[in-house]
Amino acid sequence: EIVLTQSPGTLSLSPGERATLSCRASQSVSRDYLGWYRQKPGQAPRLLIYGASSRATGIPDRFSGSGSGTQFTLTISRLEPEDFAVYYCQHYDTSTGYTFGQGTKLEIK
Amino acid sequence: EVQLVQSGAEVKKPGESLKISCQGSGYNFLNYWIGWVRQMPGKGLEWMGIIYPGDSDTYYSPSFQGQVTMSADKSISTAYLQWSSLKASDTAMYYCARPRYYYDTNGYRKIDAFDIWGQGTVVTVSS
Repeated sequence: EIVLTQSPGTLSLSPGERATLSCRASQSVSRDYLGWYRQKPGQAPRLLIYGASSRATGIPDRFSGSGSGTQFTLTISRLEPEDFAVYYCQHYDTSTGYTFGQGTKLEIK
Repeated sequence: EVQLVQSGAEVKKPGESLKISCQGSGYNFLNYWIGWVRQMPGKGLEWMGIIYPGDSDTYYSPSFQGQVTMSADKSISTAYLQWSSLKASDTAMYYCARPRYYYDTNGYRKIDAFDIWGQGTVVTVSS
């Protein structure tokens, strides 16, 4: 079973700053099946990145994803007020299904 | 517009049964998998399982196998998640979600991340 570990647990930054969120897999995974979501309070998650680095429909270019193997990163180049939320990485395996990381809370400093 | 609309909030007692729904619109419901995701109060996302409405092929996460049942009614484009005997620990928000599709290099249709989500159904189980 693949375990995704996100770090940090909480990230405190100011609007306009750059955010770097990490997702580490317990074993090497295909980057084709690595995704990132943002969940604002009281809302359903929204897909930001799929295939480790492709932006989903309507997602602004301040969001970017990178990585391979066991280490993946979500970068938000300039934080907007609506970006302060919880972020989840997720992996899909054709044999075992979906796994989510435990989440990173991005809060206003 | 492609969307998933879930049924409303539920308040139940331990031991009661429950069936919540997720209706798809704006696309061919039969041809797209529907997944279910649990979010307990203040906690993260947990994948429960996934169903293909076209033939009701279903896969459960080992954590939820035997605890819930997924089904679908093709005639009304609706997927269901049901419990036969609720526990207090089933208190949570439940989301349905549709994965995005792509075609691989061999021309096979594959799924990956969830790009369409329902608004969620809150289930509260309390005596």
